Amino acid sequence: GAVVSQHPSRVICKSGTSVKIECRSLDFQATTMFWYRQFPKQSLMLMATSNEGSKATYEQGVEKDKFLINHASLTLSTLTVTSAHPEDSSFYICSAALTSGNHEQYFGPGTRLTVT
Amino acid sequence: DAKTTQPPSMDCAEGRAANLPCNHSTISGNEYVYWYRQIHSQGPQYIIHGLKNNETNEMASLIITEDRKSSTLILPHATLRDTAVYYCIVRPSGSARQLTFGSGTQLTVLP
Repeated sequence: GAVVSQHPSRVICKSGTSVKIECRSLDFQATTMFWYRQFPKQSLMLMATSNEGSKATYEQGVEKDKFLINHASLTLSTLTVTSAHPEDSSFYICSAALTSGNHEQYFGPGTRLTVT
Repeated sequence: DAKTTQPPSMDCAEGRAANLPCNHSTISGNEYVYWYRQIHSQGPQYIIHGLKNNETNEMASLIITEDRKSSTLILPHATLRDTAVYYCIVRPSGSARQLTFGSGTQLTVLP
């Protein structure tokens, strides 16, 4: 099956710094990638939809200037959390959709961000 | 996308079948039923999906009622590694749209 990787799997950073998370589709091309966030004991919440070669679409309440998304190729999307604060600590998960067929989505393993 | 309703939690004995129900009474004719699961601290894993016919793969079976207002995911022989949150999601196929996750069912497989 299709494989999606995320890097890093776990990161701890200090308040005020920026953190970049990478999402890669390893064996398929993905025109569209999605970024989700999951707080403890809660479900996944969509943050933004990332389309290759165009600007990302952000969900209501998600600050586009704080969560910078770049989808420069069909296999890579990055999420940068700028000026991170403790309330940004969360589990960030990406998914990549096939460019054809049923556009099935495959999820990465997630990135645990802890802001101290 | 149609909303789904699932019980918050279920237990199942190891080796027995786990039957996870999902109600989706407002499902549209072009919407598929998808099942994903999320093991603790991992990304969601695709299990199975279907439109109106029952489906089976190496992981599970999906039974969809004739009126398509509900479905059941069946894990035929649950193991401890099947302990996870199971999400039932309905959405149209053929489009790269986001998946809307509800609260899912926490399945605990007991030894």
